[in-house]
Amino acid sequence: NAGVTQTPKFRILKIGQSMTLQCTQDMNHNYMYWYRQDPGMGLKLIYYSVGAGITDKGEVPNGYNVSRSTTEDFPLRLELAAPSQTSVYFCASSHQAGGAVYEQYFGPGTRLTVT
Amino acid sequence: GESVGLHLPTLSVQEGDNSIINCAYSNSASDYFIWYKQESGKGPQFIIDIRSNMDKRQGQRVTVLLNKTVKHLSLQIAATQPGDSAVYFCAEQDTGFQKLVFGTGTRLLVSP
Repeated sequence: NAGVTQTPKFRILKIGQSMTLQCTQDMNHNYMYWYRQDPGMGLKLIYYSVGAGITDKGEVPNGYNVSRSTTEDFPLRLELAAPSQTSVYFCASSHQAGGAVYEQYFGPGTRLTVT
Repeated sequence: GESVGLHLPTLSVQEGDNSIINCAYSNSASDYFIWYKQESGKGPQFIIDIRSNMDKRQGQRVTVLLNKTVKHLSLQIAATQPGDSAVYFCAEQDTGFQKLVFGTGTRLLVSP
Protein backbone atom coordinates (compact mmCIF):
# COMPACT_ATOMS: atom_id res chain seq x y z
CA ASN A 1 0.00 0.00 0.00
CA ALA A 2 1.21 3.52 -0.77
CA GLY A 3 -0.76 4.89 2.20
CA VAL A 4 -1.65 8.58 1.89
CA THR A 5 -0.18 10.39 -1.10
CA GLN A 6 -0.26 14.12 -1.77
CA THR A 7 0.55 16.18 -4.84
CA PRO A 8 2.24 18.51 -5.48
CA LYS A 9 5.08 18.48 -2.96
CA PHE A 10 5.80 22.18 -3.44
CA ARG A 11 3.95 25.06 -5.06
CA ILE A 12 4.34 28.81 -5.32
CA LEU A 13 1.20 30.81 -6.06
CA LYS A 14 0.62 34.47 -6.75
CA ILE A 15 -2.02 36.29 -4.70
CA GLY A 16 -5.46 35.66 -6.15
CA GLN A 17 -4.56 32.47 -8.01
CA SER A 18 -6.39 29.20 -7.42
CA MET A 19 -5.19 25.67 -7.04
CA THR A 20 -6.21 22.21 -5.89
CA LEU A 21 -4.13 20.11 -3.52
CA GLN A 22 -4.63 16.44 -4.25
CA CYS A 23 -4.87 13.69 -1.64
CA THR A 24 -5.40 9.98 -2.23
CA GLN A 25 -5.40 7.04 0.17
CA ASP A 26 -5.44 3.35 -0.73
CA MET A 27 -6.33 1.94 2.70
CA ASN A 28 -10.10 2.11 2.21
CA HIS A 29 -10.38 4.50 5.15
CA ASN A 30 -13.71 6.20 5.54
CA TYR A 31 -12.40 9.26 7.42
CA MET A 32 -10.15 11.82 5.75
CA TYR A 33 -8.79 15.16 6.96
CA TRP A 34 -6.93 18.25 5.82
CA TYR A 35 -4.61 20.09 8.19
CA ARG A 36 -2.33 23.08 7.85
CA GLN A 37 0.86 23.59 9.79
CA ASP A 38 2.40 27.02 10.18
CA PRO A 39 6.06 27.35 11.27
CA GLY A 40 6.60 26.38 14.89
CA MET A 41 3.00 25.34 15.37
CA GLY A 42 0.97 22.20 15.64
CA LEU A 43 -1.46 21.15 12.95
CA LYS A 44 -4.86 22.81 12.64
CA LEU A 45 -7.84 21.05 11.09
CA ILE A 46 -9.23 22.72 7.96
CA TYR A 47 -11.90 20.25 6.77
CA TYR A 48 -12.73 16.63 7.31
CA SER A 49 -14.90 13.96 5.76
CA VAL A 50 -16.53 10.92 7.36
CA GLY A 51 -17.28 9.26 4.03
CA ALA A 52 -17.90 9.86 0.34
CA GLY A 53 -20.29 12.75 -0.15
CA ILE A 54 -19.97 14.04 3.42
CA THR A 55 -17.69 16.88 4.45
CA ASP A 56 -17.59 19.30 7.37
CA LYS A 57 -15.61 22.30 8.55
CA GLY A 58 -12.76 22.09 11.00
CA GLU A 59 -11.08 24.80 13.01
CA VAL A 60 -9.78 26.99 10.14
CA PRO A 61 -11.97 26.46 7.02
CA ASN A 62 -12.07 30.03 5.64
CA GLY A 63 -10.57 30.35 2.17
CA TYR A 64 -10.78 26.62 1.41
CA ASN A 65 -13.23 24.17 -0.09
CA VAL A 66 -13.29 20.38 -0.27
CA SER A 67 -15.18 17.60 -1.97
CA ARG A 68 -15.30 13.85 -1.43
CA SER A 69 -16.74 12.08 -4.45
CA THR A 70 -14.91 8.80 -3.80
CA THR A 71 -13.56 6.99 -0.74
CA GLU A 72 -10.00 7.36 -2.02
CA ASP A 73 -9.77 11.05 -2.93
CA PHE A 74 -10.16 14.20 -0.87
CA PRO A 75 -8.97 17.29 -2.79
CA LEU A 76 -8.55 20.69 -1.11
CA ARG A 77 -9.32 23.78 -3.18
CA LEU A 78 -7.92 27.28 -2.64
CA GLU A 79 -9.97 29.74 -4.71
CA LEU A 80 -8.26 33.10 -4.12
CA ALA A 81 -4.83 32.50 -2.63
CA ALA A 82 -3.69 34.91 0.07
CA PRO A 83 -0.30 35.24 1.82
CA SER A 84 -1.94 33.99 5.04
CA GLN A 85 -2.39 30.62 3.32
CA THR A 86 1.36 30.10 3.09
CA SER A 87 1.78 26.91 5.07
CA VAL A 88 2.45 23.19 4.88
CA TYR A 89 -0.69 21.19 4.18
CA PHE A 90 -1.15 17.63 5.40
CA CYS A 91 -3.81 15.18 4.42
CA ALA A 92 -4.64 12.28 6.73
CA SER A 93 -6.99 9.33 6.82
CA SER A 94 -8.27 6.89 9.41
CA HIS A 95 -10.60 3.98 9.79
CA GLN A 96 -13.62 4.30 12.03
CA ALA A 97 -16.07 1.68 13.16
CA GLY A 98 -18.41 1.22 16.08
CA GLY A 99 -17.32 4.32 17.98
CA ALA A 100 -13.74 3.10 18.32
CA VAL A 101 -10.90 5.51 17.62
CA TYR A 102 -8.21 4.57 15.16
CA GLU A 103 -4.81 6.00 14.26
CA GLN A 104 -4.64 8.77 11.67
CA TYR A 105 -2.16 8.21 8.85
CA PHE A 106 -0.59 11.33 7.39
CA GLY A 107 0.69 12.11 3.92
CA PRO A 108 4.10 13.74 3.31
CA GLY A 109 2.66 17.25 2.98
CA THR A 110 2.45 20.01 0.37
CA ARG A 111 4.50 23.14 1.01
CA LEU A 112 2.61 26.14 -0.37
CA THR A 113 3.96 29.68 -0.66
CA VAL A 114 1.70 32.57 -1.69
CA THR A 115 3.50 35.76 -2.76
CA GLY B 1 15.58 38.20 5.23
CA GLU B 2 13.39 37.56 8.22
CA SER B 3 14.01 34.30 9.98
CA VAL B 4 11.17 31.85 9.87
CA GLY B 5 12.85 29.42 12.20
CA LEU B 6 10.76 27.45 14.62
CA HIS B 7 10.32 28.83 18.13
CA LEU B 8 9.56 25.52 19.76
CA PRO B 9 10.64 24.52 23.23
CA THR B 10 13.69 22.32 22.85
CA LEU B 11 14.90 19.40 24.92
CA SER B 12 18.54 18.46 24.39
CA VAL B 13 19.74 15.10 25.67
CA GLN B 14 22.70 12.80 25.26
CA GLU B 15 22.34 9.47 23.51
CA GLY B 16 21.37 6.82 26.04
CA ASP B 17 19.63 9.25 28.40
CA ASN B 18 15.94 8.99 29.19
CA SER B 19 13.82 11.84 27.77
CA ILE B 20 10.60 13.24 29.18
CA ILE B 21 8.43 15.48 27.03
CA ASN B 22 5.47 17.21 28.65
CA CYS B 23 2.18 18.49 27.32
CA ALA B 24 -0.77 20.32 28.83
CA TYR B 25 -4.12 19.68 27.16
CA SER B 26 -7.18 21.85 27.17
CA ASN B 27 -10.34 19.79 26.97
CA SER B 28 -11.18 17.75 30.04
CA ALA B 29 -13.84 15.91 27.98
CA SER B 30 -11.33 14.48 25.47
CA ASP B 31 -11.49 10.69 25.23
CA TYR B 32 -8.20 9.87 23.69
CA PHE B 33 -4.67 11.25 23.67
CA ILE B 34 -1.94 10.58 21.18
CA TRP B 35 1.73 11.38 20.78
CA TYR B 36 3.05 12.03 17.29
CA LYS B 37 6.63 12.29 16.08
CA GLN B 38 7.40 14.60 13.17
CA GLU B 39 10.74 14.45 11.44
CA SER B 40 11.89 17.34 9.29
CA GLY B 41 10.00 17.51 6.00
CA LYS B 42 7.63 14.69 6.87
CA GLY B 43 4.11 14.24 8.12
CA PRO B 44 3.38 13.31 11.75
CA GLN B 45 3.83 9.67 12.67
CA PHE B 46 1.86 7.93 15.42
CA ILE B 47 3.92 6.85 18.42
CA ILE B 48 1.56 5.82 21.20
CA ASP B 49 -1.92 6.56 22.46
CA ILE B 50 -3.80 6.39 25.72
CA ARG B 51 -7.50 6.41 26.56
CA SER B 52 -8.90 8.76 29.15
CA ASN B 53 -9.74 5.86 31.49
CA MET B 54 -6.05 4.93 31.82
CA ASP B 55 -3.17 6.72 33.50
CA LYS B 56 -0.22 4.87 31.98
CA ARG B 57 0.54 2.94 28.85
CA GLN B 58 3.82 1.43 27.73
CA GLY B 59 5.15 0.71 24.29
CA GLN B 60 8.52 -0.20 22.97
CA ARG B 61 10.93 2.24 24.68
CA VAL B 62 8.10 4.73 25.17
CA THR B 63 5.67 5.31 28.02
CA VAL B 64 2.79 7.77 28.11
CA LEU B 65 1.45 9.08 31.42
CA LEU B 66 -1.90 10.83 31.76
CA ASN B 67 -2.86 12.99 34.74
CA LYS B 68 -6.44 14.08 34.23
CA THR B 69 -6.55 16.04 37.47
CA VAL B 70 -4.13 18.63 36.12
CA LYS B 71 -4.75 17.90 32.41
CA HIS B 72 -1.18 16.85 31.81
CA LEU B 73 0.32 14.30 29.46
CA SER B 74 3.92 13.16 29.26
CA LEU B 75 5.96 11.00 26.92
CA GLN B 76 8.95 9.17 28.29
CA ILE B 77 11.53 7.78 25.88
CA ALA B 78 14.01 5.31 27.32
CA ALA B 79 17.60 5.09 26.09
CA THR B 80 17.12 7.95 23.63
CA GLN B 81 18.81 7.49 20.27
CA PRO B 82 19.87 10.00 17.58
CA GLY B 83 17.02 8.69 15.44
CA ASP B 84 14.61 9.98 18.07
CA SER B 85 15.53 13.56 17.16
CA ALA B 86 12.32 15.17 15.90
CA VAL B 87 9.45 17.40 16.95
CA TYR B 88 6.96 15.68 19.23
CA PHE B 89 3.31 16.72 19.43
CA CYS B 90 0.60 15.64 21.79
CA ALA B 91 -2.95 15.63 20.48
CA GLU B 92 -6.42 15.22 21.92
CA GLN B 93 -9.02 13.33 19.98
CA ASP B 94 -12.76 13.00 20.42
CA THR B 95 -14.42 9.71 19.58
CA GLY B 96 -17.32 11.39 17.81
CA PHE B 97 -15.64 12.65 14.67
CA GLN B 98 -12.06 11.79 15.53
CA LYS B 99 -10.92 15.38 15.16
CA LEU B 100 -7.40 15.87 16.43
CA VAL B 101 -6.47 19.01 18.35
CA PHE B 102 -2.72 19.38 18.43
CA GLY B 103 -0.70 20.98 21.19
CA THR B 104 2.44 23.00 20.63
CA GLY B 105 5.36 20.76 19.86
CA THR B 106 8.65 20.08 21.59
CA ARG B 107 11.85 19.64 19.63
CA LEU B 108 14.00 16.78 20.90
CA LEU B 109 17.69 16.96 20.01
CA VAL B 110 19.79 13.89 20.75
CA SER B 111 23.56 14.23 20.73
CA PRO B 112 25.75 11.19 20.08
